[in-house]
Amino acid sequence: AQSVTQLGSHVSVSEGALVLLRCNYSSSVPPYLFWYVQYPNQGLQLLLKYTTGATLVKGINGFEAEFKKSETSFHLTKPSAHMSDAAEYFCAVSAGYALNFGKGTSLLVTP
Amino acid sequence: DVKVTQSSRYLVKRTGEKVFLECVQDMDHENMFWYRQDPGLGLRLIYFSYDVKMKEKGDIPEGYSVSREKKERFSLILESASTNQTSMYLCASSFLNYRDRSNSPLHFGNGTRLTVT
Repeated sequence: AQSVTQLGSHVSVSEGALVLLRCNYSSSVPPYLFWYVQYPNQGLQLLLKYTTGATLVKGINGFEAEFKKSETSFHLTKPSAHMSDAAEYFCAVSAGYALNFGKGTSLLVTP
Repeated sequence: DVKVTQSSRYLVKRTGEKVFLECVQDMDHENMFWYRQDPGLGLRLIYFSYDVKMKEKGDIPEGYSVSREKKERFSLILESASTNQTSMYLCASSFLNYRDRSNSPLHFGNGTRLTVT
């Protein structure tokens, strides 16, 4: 079965610092991978997705992620954190029609 | 833009009540999904539907049923609500990519926070 593991349920960074949120996947087939963001009291919004092709994927709000097959990883990064990036982030892997989600990482950005 | 609308943001129900959560999407998507979200557990799939009147169990279907009589509407039913069903419920939809069905991202509603007392 396809699954993802997010390392760290809480991550804290200073404004302007690098954001790194970790995700490792397990899949018996070539995976399609996604990152979603959830702001308070809202649903999930797609940040970016990897299907095939280029392994470095750029998304919205300055985020990007790199698919590394050898490491079974799909970590999310942003060079410089903004206060508005504070939210919960979910990594997900395709599983047929649906997605299997990780448990989420809550990002705190401090001034 | 895709819009997925969940009829209620907050619901409070009593144990044993029958509860209906409604979801409507406006983009003619074939697939619709119900997830529940709990702190520390992430999102877990309850049921999904890939066509009208078609449904498939997800990872945690016990205590729930669904109905999809029209393409745009997907209802989640709690036959007899229990306190352990207190949660945030998220509806999502996606189009069916016939060439590669795993390729379509999900579009989510804003969620319904259900409290069962």
